[in-house]
Amino acid sequence: SQTIHQWPATLVQPVGSPLSLECTVEGTSNPNLYWYRQAAGRGLQLLFYSVGIGQISSEVPQNLSASRPQDRQFILSSKKLLLSDSGFYLCAWRARGANTEAFFGQGTRLTVV
Amino acid sequence: GNSVTQMEGPVTLSEEAFLTINCTYTATGYPSLFWYVQYPGEGLQLLLKATKADDKGSNKGFEATYRKETTSFHLEKGSVQVSDSAVYFCALSRRSSASKIIFGSGTRLSIRP
Repeated sequence: SQTIHQWPATLVQPVGSPLSLECTVEGTSNPNLYWYRQAAGRGLQLLFYSVGIGQISSEVPQNLSASRPQDRQFILSSKKLLLSDSGFYLCAWRARGANTEAFFGQGTRLTVV
Repeated sequence: GNSVTQMEGPVTLSEEAFLTINCTYTATGYPSLFWYVQYPGEGLQLLLKATKADDKGSNKGFEATYRKETTSFHLEKGSVQVSDSAVYFCALSRRSSASKIIFGSGTRLSIRP
């Protein structure tokens, strides 16, 4: 069966520090991968999605970047965090070419102080 | 463009009350429709889905019917429990290579014992 791992679960980082959040998927090949952010009490904002290795699409201009170095690995990064980067970050995958549901990781709670 | 509109929360009900959370969408063609649930501090879990007009998705006593004529996918449950307290998200996805899932803003549901 397919599983998605996302870590760390919580993170407290100072302003100006770098960020690296990792997401890996098991049990499937060629998935579409997504990073979402959820601000406190708010809905989900799609940040990046990827349909293949090295293929990244950005939905909103921001202080973050994403990379997909391997088929089932998706990384969210920042060189210098801002206070406004605080939030709940969710990774998700879904099967390529199918209009089916996405499966989410457990999320990373990021607090920038 | 594609969008999802769901009723503002929070919604507070007593245990065993009837629940309706409204969701309408804007999309060309025939999107797939989803309801996700998010319990505190966790990622999103698929609650139910419908992939074509007049389909009814159901799970754990929740139901939603895909209404093409009214572009709606309202979530209902006949008798809610305290354990149903969570945030509920309506979402859609069109058949495209990018396969993005578009989410509504979420509705927080609180059930009183």
